[in-house]
Amino acid sequence: KAGVTQTPRYLIKTRGQQVTLSCSPISGHRSVSWYQQTPGQGLQFLFEYFSETQRNKGNFPGRFSGRQFSNSRSEMNVSTLELGDSALYLCASSFLGSYEQYFGPGTRLTVT
Amino acid sequence: AQKVTQAQTEISVVEKEDVTLDCVYETRDTTYYLFWYKQPPSGELVFLIRRNSFDEQNEISGRYSWNFQKSTSSFNFTITASQVVDSAVYFCALSEAPGGGNKLTFGTGTQLKVEL
Repeated sequence: KAGVTQTPRYLIKTRGQQVTLSCSPISGHRSVSWYQQTPGQGLQFLFEYFSETQRNKGNFPGRFSGRQFSNSRSEMNVSTLELGDSALYLCASSFLGSYEQYFGPGTRLTVT
Repeated sequence: AQKVTQAQTEISVVEKEDVTLDCVYETRDTTYYLFWYKQPPSGELVFLIRRNSFDEQNEISGRYSWNFQKSTSSFNFTITASQVVDSAVYFCALSEAPGGGNKLTFGTGTQLKVEL
C-alpha cells in the first residue's frame, strides 16, 4: 500500500513569492492534516481537511491556506513568502476517527 | 490549552543499553490521545503508538514499551537493548480528540544517539 506522497520534495523561493505544495494521502484516508516544522518552533499544526472542508486550523496567519479535492488530495498555499516560512512542511493522512496519522516525507521549503 | 513537555533534549547511549524517553503532558480534556513518533534523518515521521486516555495499560512491542500514568500525566517510552538503527528524534504528541480532531500538539522532541 503506497504511503503519503508529497510534491515537490524540495523548493527554493524568493521572499514575496507564493508557493503551492501538494499532498496525496494513503488510499482510503479522507482526513489530511498539514504541519510546519522549524528548528525554532518545532512541529506546529497548520490545518486539517476532511471531505473538502477545513475541520481545524492552527495559529498561522491568513497567508497560509489550504484546500482538499474530491479525491482527498490536498494542497497548501503560502502567499507573500517570508524568510521565516523556510521549513519542512509535513502532510499526514488518516481514516476519520482513527486518530492515527501517517506522515509523508515532507517538502523542504527554503525562502531566500 | 494543551502542552507536551519532553525535557530531555538529547540522550546518548551505547548499543544494547536500555533507554527511557520521558513525556509529560497537560490537558483539560478527559478524553484525549497520546502518541509517539520517530523521525529518522530522512525526515519522515514514523507512527509508533497511539494510546487513549481511558486505557492505562502498559504496552510492549518487541524492544519498545510504553508506560502511561494518568496520575503523573506521563507517557514514557522505553527502548530495550538499543540499536544504532534506533538513532532518531522521538516526538511525543497529544490530541484532544474527538473535539480536537486530528490536531496534534507535539513536544520538542528527544534526539537519541545510539553508538557502537
